[in-house]
Amino acid sequence: GAVVSQHPSWVICKSGTSVKIECRSLDFQATTMFWYRQFPKQSLMLMATSNEGSKATYEQGVEKDKFLINHASLTLSTLTVTSAHPEDSSFYICSARAAATSNQPQHFGDGTRLSIL
Amino acid sequence: EDKVVQSPLSLVVHEGDTVTLNCSYEVTNFRSLLWYKQEKKAPTFLFMLTSSGIEKKSGRLSSILDKKELFSILNITATQTGDSAVYLCAVYSGNTGKLIFGQGTTLQVKP
Repeated sequence: GAVVSQHPSWVICKSGTSVKIECRSLDFQATTMFWYRQFPKQSLMLMATSNEGSKATYEQGVEKDKFLINHASLTLSTLTVTSAHPEDSSFYICSARAAATSNQPQHFGDGTRLSIL
Repeated sequence: EDKVVQSPLSLVVHEGDTVTLNCSYEVTNFRSLLWYKQEKKAPTFLFMLTSSGIEKKSGRLSSILDKKELFSILNITATQTGDSAVYLCAVYSGNTGKLIFGQGTTLQVKP
């Protein structure tokens, strides 16, 4: 149980392109989903928290107009990197949690490796 | 400021060895501590600990939490090359509802 699917797993695109990443909870309803970014040999850095049906909460320093998050249903959240540039290249990982409170673990998707040329 | 510190940052052992990974934390309104294993993709969940002194065990892996001294350990016995990975410790803050991650411990198990 507790499977989170993230798609695509790898994206290579030109500078200026917008890229959409999907995160789905396959066998549970996720009231809260999280988006992380991970640079090589570093730990996960939280970008934003989204609760189903409400606006995402972004961490300090993360541009909400650049990283658009939508959590329209209890099983799907999307992250759109708008007008991506080479400095946006990174490993993006989503996670999902069944409960709104923190008494359930977060389960992670397989991540999306984004490379902007 | 909330923080989670893991040690050692990296470790090289041989198959069959036993390893102990450490995680200490300073987090306001602690809720739980989690261990994850990360290989080439995203982290996979290992354990969630909320109570002091109760060992959680899964095969060759076990973990325990000490809420008085604010740390947890992850033990791996009879290590195998497939245990090679980055092990992440994370703590839930009740104030923010967010996971605060440590830097990770990179474990390499040599044949």
